[in-house]
Amino acid sequence: EAQVTQNPRYLITVTGKKLTVTCSQNMNHEYMSWYRQDPGLGLRQIYYSMNVEVTDKGDVPEGYKVSRKEKRNFPLILESPSPNQTSLYFCASSPTTVDLFFGPGTRLTVL
Amino acid sequence: ILNVEQSPQSLHVQEGDSTNFTCSFPSSNFYALHWYRWETAKSPEALFVMTLNGDEKKKGRISATLNTKEGYSYLYIKGSQPEDSATYLCALLRSNSGYALNFGKGTSLLVTP
Repeated sequence: EAQVTQNPRYLITVTGKKLTVTCSQNMNHEYMSWYRQDPGLGLRQIYYSMNVEVTDKGDVPEGYKVSRKEKRNFPLILESPSPNQTSLYFCASSPTTVDLFFGPGTRLTVL
Repeated sequence: ILNVEQSPQSLHVQEGDSTNFTCSFPSSNFYALHWYRWETAKSPEALFVMTLNGDEKKKGRISATLNTKEGYSYLYIKGSQPEDSATYLCALLRSNSGYALNFGKGTSLLVTP
C-alpha cells in the first residue's frame, strides 16, 4: 500500500531532550516536506527536500534540522525542544510538487 | 511568508445546499494552486492542483476555478452532504519560492442533515 508513515504518532517530552520524528514513504517520491499545524495559524512549512542530499528551509525552520540521506526517509530532528514547538507535525511527499501525500501526523508536547 | 487568504473562515450549511469559498493569493510569480480536504483526525487529502489561468477542475460534486491574473480561486460544492464536512485548504506554489508551498488557514465547512 502506497503510504507515508510517521513515528511516533504521539510524544510527550521535556525541554532540551533531543528527539527525532521519522518519516518514510514507499512511493519513490523525490519531494518530501515537513509542516506544523497550530490553531489559528494553518499549516506552515518547516523544511523540504527536492531529492537526496537536497534540503531547503521553509517558513519556520528555527529549532529544527532535517536530513535526506535516502530517498524514502526524511527525519525531523529537534536538537533542543522547547515548549513553543508543541504542535501537530505532518510529513508529506510528492513525485514532483503536485498532489502532496500526507502522513498521519505526530502530536508533540514539550513540557 | 506569503499572504494566502481563505474566506470565509467557517461555514455552516444544510444538507442539499450548494456552497463556495474563496482562496486569494498574490498573483506575481504564480506556479500552481493546490486544494486539499482535511477531515478531523485525518490527514489532508489532495483535491486539485491547478496551474493555468482559467483552469476548471471537477471531482464529483466538487469543482474549482482559477484566476491567476487577479489572484483567486473558488471551490464549489454542489448539493452539500454531511460527509463533505471538513476543512478545505488552499496552498500556493510560486515559481521563485524554491518549491516552498504556502497554505491558507482553511475554510471549515459543517453540513448538517
